[in-house]
Amino acid sequence: QSAPTQPASVSGSPGQSITISCTGTSSDVGGFKYVSWYQQHPGKAPKLIIHDVSNRPSGVSSRFSGSKSANTASLTISGLQAEDEADYYCASYTSSSTRVFGTGTTVTVL
Amino acid sequence: EVQLVESGGALVQPGGSLRLSCAASGFTFSISTMNWVRQAPGKGLEWLSYINTVGTAIYYADSVKGRFTISRDNAEKSLYLQMNSLRVEDTAVYFCARGLSHFDYWGQGTLVTVS
Repeated sequence: QSAPTQPASVSGSPGQSITISCTGTSSDVGGFKYVSWYQQHPGKAPKLIIHDVSNRPSGVSSRFSGSKSANTASLTISGLQAEDEADYYCASYTSSSTRVFGTGTTVTVL
Repeated sequence: EVQLVESGGALVQPGGSLRLSCAASGFTFSISTMNWVRQAPGKGLEWLSYINTVGTAIYYADSVKGRFTISRDNAEKSLYLQMNSLRVEDTAVYFCARGLSHFDYWGQGTLVTVS
């Protein structure tokens, strides 16, 4: 099972919007609605920010939104803030009933 | 408050074994599906294993299949990962995480060093 591909890094200025892609296959990202996104600050545990492609858990900022088209899922962060600087990972259920994380993206706020 | 607390991480020699534990509190463990996820130093997240509520459905990543065994004790509200035939590349922080299609609660992790 290969990891879905994410850009290694994405950057933006405060207030801007950025989008992180997560490209998998029809056996994972493209085949199921079970795509989720996680934010991880250095030395901390990951935090769920999007589940089931586009759903935000209670307490997560509405600046985070998710979508999916074919084999690619996307996370958009609007109104970028300094606190958004972190690593972001997508994850997907797979046709083998396993789960797989994306390669990860480091977001830098300029 | 939901809490997941991992323990059991240590320094172990290649070929050795280790058993990790994850103690759960603040939610009904017996009806929660659970996972193990790891993160090697400076690397990304890697999903390792899933177990359903009663231990009848278990899945592993290819990288640990045949070497690692996930289990749970609902009476003790605990999740376990038995790790055998450890390799240098198993060095990582190991997290337990609750969830089926996504992982909504995570522990802080326990460090396993194989050297």
